Amino acid sequence: ETGVTQSPTHLIKTRGQQVTLRCSSQSGHNTVSWYQQALGQGPQFIFQYYREEENGRGNFPPRFSGLQFPNYSSELNVNALELDDSALYLCASSPTSGGTDTQYFGPGTRLTVL
Amino acid sequence: RKEVEQDPGPFNVPEGATVAFNCTYSNSASQSFFWYRQDCRKEPKLLMSVYSSGNEDGRFTAQLNRASQYISLLIRDSKLSDSATYLCVVKKSQGAQKLVFGQGTRLTINP
Repeated sequence: ETGVTQSPTHLIKTRGQQVTLRCSSQSGHNTVSWYQQALGQGPQFIFQYYREEENGRGNFPPRFSGLQFPNYSSELNVNALELDDSALYLCASSPTSGGTDTQYFGPGTRLTVL
Repeated sequence: RKEVEQDPGPFNVPEGATVAFNCTYSNSASQSFFWYRQDCRKEPKLLMSVYSSGNEDGRFTAQLNRASQYISLLIRDSKLSDSATYLCVVKKSQGAQKLVFGQGTRLTINP
């Protein structure tokens, strides 16, 4: 639908492990943002990548890190997983980093930490 | 205080009813405003942008009051397919394109 894809769809990890989530942006979009959505809450901004550089970060600890590749796809890495990291992780792509461009969300990765 | 506040509901209304959602935001630097719709276990999808002059898209009407920092969404003649969570979203146009979401209001339309 939006052209934004994420993998994997679901993931189960245990406390202390590390996880990498992947996102492919819509064709022509150079900006990727990541959000965490806990059950019953709205999504919360983690960080944004624009042309392979971090371009803004929300209130998340350093164990949440990311990358953007030359093809504008992106990864979200979370180290030392905690139970509260269980959530739906959404990535959204947009044509530019500023302005009023709409963000298009991928289907998300549902992470469960046991 | 949360930057964007919504009544979490749930709202249960009969098919054909009119339902209104309200939202307030605290950051006066917010420049862009949206309503997103999220179906159960799916990603949020843009429903409509919200402009100061108010805007309408079929059965949906959105209003923005910058002075009161208040956003609303009105759904007329509700359909069963309108059942979803409605997310109020604000964004500053300067800097990173960070969307700030409200908690969401869950709506169920009953036959």
